[in-house]
Amino acid sequence: IAGITQAPTSQILAAGRRMTLRCTQDMRHNAMYWYRQDLGLGLRLIHYSNTAGTTGKGEVPDGYSVSRANTDDFPLTLASAVPSQTSVYFCASSDGTANTGELFFGEGSRLTVL
Amino acid sequence: AQSVTQLDSHVSVSEGTPVLLRCNYSSSYSPSLFWYVQHPNKGLQLLLKYTSAATLVKGINGFEAEFKKSETSFHLTKPSAHMSDAAEYFCVVRTDSWGKLQFGAGTQVVVTP
Repeated sequence: IAGITQAPTSQILAAGRRMTLRCTQDMRHNAMYWYRQDLGLGLRLIHYSNTAGTTGKGEVPDGYSVSRANTDDFPLTLASAVPSQTSVYFCASSDGTANTGELFFGEGSRLTVL
Repeated sequence: AQSVTQLDSHVSVSEGTPVLLRCNYSSSYSPSLFWYVQHPNKGLQLLLKYTSAATLVKGINGFEAEFKKSETSFHLTKPSAHMSDAAEYFCVVRTDSWGKLQFGAGTQVVVTP
């Protein structure tokens, strides 16, 4: 089934550890995004990539890094996890044209930092 | 800058009664607006979108929304709620041509029998 695949679906992590959340899409979309979802705050953009080889900072980028080596993959790395990074993380993609603006979301990665 | 405000954090309706989820937007130009739905432990799914064509937009599952520039609103409605409509709903505005979105805080909908 075409779409966005995220891994892991759930992870418990000790504070200070490094963690990479994986995201792969098979729709050949140019743009990809990472959001975090916290109760009462909706979804907040962490980082984004408009095309392969480029990335940008979103609303809450501190403590996170991303890379976009190719069109399909957009991993999110927490270099040294802290409890405030406990959240549900969603990867999304769009075709980046002005005609749609629709984002396609993965099913999320639930991360708990202890 | 574009932003959206969802006026209700929780809405409870009885099955078969109308649903109204309120959203106001702020934008210096004609915005692109969306409603997304999130069922428990799932990703988000697009319900409908407004991109400056018809002001009354019909979406999936019987939902519709009306863009009202004079009121800066984009409220979501459904004539008759179904148990499967229980979910969280997000009003969203696009903030650039590449598709970056600004999400509202969400409205949790509870449907009672």
